[in-house]
Amino acid sequence: AQTVTQSQPEMSVQEAETVTLSCTYDTSESDYYLFWYKQPPSRQMILVIRQEAYKQQNATENRFSVNFQKAAKSFSLKISDSQLGDAAMYFCAYRSDAGGTSYGKLTFGQGTILTVHP
Amino acid sequence: NAGVTQTPKFRILKIGQSMTLQCTQDMNHNYMYWYRQDPGMGLKLIYYSVGAGITDKGDVPNGYNVSRSTTEDFPLRLELAAPSQTSVYFCASSYVGNTEAFFGQGTRLTVV
Repeated sequence: AQTVTQSQPEMSVQEAETVTLSCTYDTSESDYYLFWYKQPPSRQMILVIRQEAYKQQNATENRFSVNFQKAAKSFSLKISDSQLGDAAMYFCAYRSDAGGTSYGKLTFGQGTILTVHP
Repeated sequence: NAGVTQTPKFRILKIGQSMTLQCTQDMNHNYMYWYRQDPGMGLKLIYYSVGAGITDKGDVPNGYNVSRSTTEDFPLRLELAAPSQTSVYFCASSYVGNTEAFFGQGTRLTVV
């Protein structure tokens, strides 16, 4: 079974600064997807960024980028120019793409609470 | 499109009571899921469905039941509520071949 670990229960950053959230995962599969989800106080789960394991290039979405290290099984999220609206719980998640039997099931890490100071 | 809609948003149950959490999606997605999120923890998969009439257990299915009579609806049933079922419940859906899952807004359930 796959596991996802987020070792930082809480992180804080000053507005306009950069912060990196860590995520490691364990899998024996070679085909999979990795995601970062944002959960603000409203509880809504918002997809921030996704990475396909077969792609060597790191995904980027505006101020959000990832550092995907497949051999090290590491998938960190970098938030640049942090804004007050970035304050939320962030979850790292894994989805298998093996053999057509994964059915889109997600395995989540424990989450990291990000506080943004003005 | 409304996306994934869950009802109710909040509920308080007494120990031993039963209830059904409703979930409906209007995106014609094959796959649907129920997750629970305990305080300070990530989401854990309770049950999932790959299409109407087909359901299967996730990682934490004990104390729950599901059914999928239509593509749109995937209700979660709690038969004998226990304090350990106090949690936030999320329904989600996705389409085969598409990596993104769409989530409802969650149901906060408290069992007292």
